[in-house]
Parts: sequence; C-alpha cells; structure tokens
Amino acid sequence: GDSVTQMEGPVTLSEEAFLTINCTYTATGYPSLFWYVQYPGEGLQLLLKATKADDKGSNKGFEATYRKETTSFHLEKGSVQVSDSAVYFCALIYNNDMRFGAGTRLTVKP
Amino acid sequence: SQTIHQWPATLVQPVGSPLSLECTVEGTSNPNLYWYRQAAGRGLQLLFYSVGIGQISSEVPQNLSASRPQDRQFILSSKKLLLSDSGFYLCAWSTGYQDSYTFGSGTRLTVV
Repeated sequence: GDSVTQMEGPVTLSEEAFLTINCTYTATGYPSLFWYVQYPGEGLQLLLKATKADDKGSNKGFEATYRKETTSFHLEKGSVQVSDSAVYFCALIYNNDMRFGAGTRLTVKP
Repeated sequence: SQTIHQWPATLVQPVGSPLSLECTVEGTSNPNLYWYRQAAGRGLQLLFYSVGIGQISSEVPQNLSASRPQDRQFILSSKKLLLSDSGFYLCAWSTGYQDSYTFGSGTRLTVV
C-alpha cells in the first residue's frame, strides 16, 4: 500500500544552520504530498503542500519539491531558528487516504 | 472560515472509568472526520474515520468507540479506560477531495 518514509530523528542543529529532512514515498497513483509541523503540546499544522510532480511548496522559509523521478519530498530551510523546534511529519494523500511518516523531531539550539 | 474545536485539552482519568472526547467542526458541511492517537514520542495512529452521520470505520480493534450523532460532531468514547489508552488524541477533518487534513489542538489523556 501507499506509504511514507522519513528520516529518523532526533535532529539537533544550531541556529542559522541549514535544514534538510528527507522524505520518500511509495504510491500506486499520483498522490498529493504534505509537510505538517507539530509544536510541543499542540495539534498538527499544515506547513506546505504540493499536488503534482515538480510543484514546490513553500511557507515560513521552508520549501519542498515534489520529485516524481526519485519519489521524494524533502523539507529544507536555509537558516533555522530556535522557534522552528518541533516535530515534522511528511504525509501523502491518495483517494482521500492520508498516510503519515513517523515524524522527525528537530531541536534548534541558540 | 472553517474551524475545528476539540475538548477537553487535558484529562486525567482513573483506570476503569469512562471516557468521552468531543470534536466539532464549524464552517463546512459533510466533512470527513478522523480520530488519531499519538503515544509519547511516537507517530500518528488512525483510530476511526467517518464520511457521514452514523458512518464509522474502525482501523484498530480496541476498547474505544466513536460516534457521529450530527454532521459536524465526532465523539470518541470508552466504557472502561486502560492504562494503555494514555496518549494524545487528535481530531481532524477534511473535505474528502484529496486535500489536506485540518487538525484540532488535541487532548492529552493520562490514565492513572
């Protein structure tokens, strides 16, 4: 079945470092892809999305490009801040069935 | 605009007691509704989903149940809580058209 695999954490970075969180997917059709962020004690918030190949989703300095040839949707940010500390979930949806990755915990130190 | 409300935010319940968590959505009609559980430091586990009033699909067998008495209301229940029911419970809704899910703020349940 459809699934998402994301890099295991935790990831610890210094402020202003470059961030990459890898995400790859397996799907029989053409899913839409998402990144969600979960701050401590809160629900998940949609961070960005892409609905077709080569689309780039972006929000709050984060970016991810839908790569059909590598079945990937890696999350990147050029300069992380302490406030970016959270758990990040990659997800796909196809036929209204959403599948989540296991989540990657990011800690940014000042 | 659409909003989702989930309550209570935190709950401490003794083993063997009943549970009722409520979720309501405003600003949309006939949403798909979902209950997820997130154990400490773990990913998301889909518990139940509903595509309409009275229509409930269960993803995992357990001592929890769900009901949808109204179009925009989704309730998670248990008759007798177990210690293993502790976790962070999240309600979500979607339009059902391959779009993103919108999550509530969650309920932290601790069974003691």
